[in-house]
Amino acid sequence: KNQVEQSPQSLIILEGKNCTLQCNYTVSPFSNLRWYKQDTGRGPVSLTIMTFSENTKSNGRYTATLDADTKQSSLHITASQLSDSASYICVVSLSPNTGFQKLVFGTGTRLLVSP
Amino acid sequence: SAVISQKPSRDICQRGTSLTIQCQVDSQVTMMFWYRQQPGQSLTLIATANQGSEATYESGFVIDKFPISRPNLTFSTLTVSNMSPEDSSIYLCSVEGVAGGIQYFGPGTRLTVT
Repeated sequence: KNQVEQSPQSLIILEGKNCTLQCNYTVSPFSNLRWYKQDTGRGPVSLTIMTFSENTKSNGRYTATLDADTKQSSLHITASQLSDSASYICVVSLSPNTGFQKLVFGTGTRLLVSP
Repeated sequence: SAVISQKPSRDICQRGTSLTIQCQVDSQVTMMFWYRQQPGQSLTLIATANQGSEATYESGFVIDKFPISRPNLTFSTLTVSNMSPEDSSIYLCSVEGVAGGIQYFGPGTRLTVT
């Protein structure tokens, strides 16, 4: 069964600190892995997208890593800000055979950055 | 990138009624997607809507309950029919920027059924 699991479920950190969110997946055939940020009451916004050949990708203070062998990914947030408080969703894309990519969503990690 | 708007942003509806959610995109797209996000859960794909053809529904979702229209390349509607409290969710519209690329999501419609 295609699944994406994220940990921790929720996390509280102090402003300015770093944190790392984890994602494990059992999705086949794998196409790419995405991290999304979802603010409360808003739709998800893409942070990074990585294919199986990419080990790391950065977007500002966000750095995602991918180990396609162990089927694990992480999202590292550096020097956290209050605006980083949101849910972070790991999404794995199946290789398309229908003309579009089918996405498998994790349940997300809810991050709260405290002043 | 694509800018997506949804109407309404939220609504409270009575059991047994229906609600139509609108999704407008600022550019022409081939495929539009409708998702449901129940409280504390991940997103679940309801259906894929292509312009000029019937929507394709995922397992567990049927056209009678969630009829979809796609009259042109920038607009789609999702109707939640004969609502029950179990339909209380956030409903999100999404489009694919380029084939196989980033999916962009609308802000969502928060539906509460009483």
